[in-house]
Amino acid sequence: DGGITQSPKYLFRKEGQNVTLSCEQNLNHDAMYWYRQDPGQGLRLIYYSQIVNDFQKGDIAEGYSVSREKKESFPLTVTSAQKNPTAFYLCASSTQRSNQPQHFGDGTRLSIL
Amino acid sequence: AQSVTQPDIHITVSEGASLELRCNYSYGATPYLFWYVQSPGQGLQLLLKYFSGDTLVQGIKGFEAEFKRSQSSFNLRKPSVHWSDAAEYFCAVGEGGTASKLTFGTGTRLQVTL
Repeated sequence: DGGITQSPKYLFRKEGQNVTLSCEQNLNHDAMYWYRQDPGQGLRLIYYSQIVNDFQKGDIAEGYSVSREKKESFPLTVTSAQKNPTAFYLCASSTQRSNQPQHFGDGTRLSIL
Repeated sequence: AQSVTQPDIHITVSEGASLELRCNYSYGATPYLFWYVQSPGQGLQLLLKYFSGDTLVQGIKGFEAEFKRSQSSFNLRKPSVHWSDAAEYFCAVGEGGTASKLTFGTGTRLQVTL
C-alpha cells in the first residue's frame, strides 16, 4: 500500500546533540512537508519542499535543517540550536497542485533526556 | 496572510447526539478547505475537502461540511456521533500556488460520553 513512513516512532535527544527524523513516501508525490505539533497550538510548518534539491523555510525553521536528495525522502534534523525540541513531528506529502490534500505519516515523538 | 480559527478547544457530546464543529477562515480568494481527524499518537486523516461547486460536501465516516462564503465558515457536522469519533479535529485552508501549502487551526478535541 502507498503511504508515508516516519521513523523512529519515539526518539530521545541529549543536550547538545543533533538528531535526524526520517520520512519516506511511496506515493510519487513531488511536495513534502514537516510540521511540529504542540498541545493547543495545532500544526506549525517547519520546512517544505516542492521538488528534489529544493526546499523552503516554513514558519518555525530556526533550529532545524532538511535535505531533499531523493523524491521519496525528506529527512529532518533537529539541531542543538533548537532549545525546545520536545514535540510531536509530522511529515506529509502531496502533489504540487494547490487543491490537493496532504497525506500524513504517523509521526515521531521527540523528547529530551 | 491566511488564517484559520477553531473557537472550540474541547467539546463533549453524548453518543448518538448530533455534532457541529466550527471553523472560520480568513483568505482573500476562494479557499481550498479541508477537515482532518487525528487519533492520539497518530497522524492526520483526511475527512473531506472543498474546492468549488456544491457548498455541502460529504466525507468519510458519515461526516459532512458546509462552506458558507458570507460567514467565512466551513463547519463540520455529523448527525449521530459514535464513541469511536472521539479524537482531535483540525480545519485547514489551502494556499494558492504550485504547492499544496496548508494553514491549520488549533484543533477541537471531541469527547464522546456513553
